Amino acid sequence: QVQLVESGGGVVQPGRSLRLSCAASGFTFNNYGMHWVRQAPGKGLEWMAVIWNDGGKKQYADSVTGRCTISRDNSKNTLHLEMNSLRADDTGVYYCARDLTVSGVLTFYLDSWGQGTLVTVSS
Amino acid sequence: QSALTQPASVSGSPGEAITISCTGTTSDVGGYAYVSWYQHHPGKAPKLMIYDVSLRPSGVSNRFSGSKSGNTASLNISGLQPEDESDYYCASYSTRGTPYVFGTGTKVTVL
Repeated sequence: QVQLVESGGGVVQPGRSLRLSCAASGFTFNNYGMHWVRQAPGKGLEWMAVIWNDGGKKQYADSVTGRCTISRDNSKNTLHLEMNSLRADDTGVYYCARDLTVSGVLTFYLDSWGQGTLVTVSS
Repeated sequence: QSALTQPASVSGSPGEAITISCTGTTSDVGGYAYVSWYQHHPGKAPKLMIYDVSLRPSGVSNRFSGSKSGNTASLNISGLQPEDESDYYCASYSTRGTPYVFGTGTKVTVL
């Protein structure tokens, strides 16, 4: 079955950088687009970024453009999110999710999600 | 990019039907048939419940249905059950800045 496992969260000081990873299994990773979504404490879901199945195209939310980089390693079935200049309001649970990609066309429907990894930005 | 607008909470008794609204603009909900709904139990992975406005993924109960009129999409849950108590989020493709936006979220309580 589809499994997505995030890692890399923890406590990080403001202004520092962090790299999150998402290990995928149970499906042909390079056939699917992948997304990152986060949820701040007590807040709703916030879409952050998407990467196409071949890594050739990426899109970002306005709120993180310039501070985040999404990437993937299809040889290792792994998705990454690098975040720079972290702020207190970046605190939250970060989820990776699979796109309901059909024949290489992304739908922006997130049909499988990981359990999330908690990032706390604090001095 | 503003989130789509949902009521903060909706409640109903077991067996009843409830509807959750999701209001956007012509740049997102109103302009495209790319609306989806997610169920999110706190501490767990969110689950896709509806896509393409009204389609259900395999395994999702037919008690869940979706529709859209103008700039407002709706999720209807019929025959409300205790396990339906959760947070629900709509989402839509958008042509204004951020390409994918979630709603503000609705907490459903089963009385």
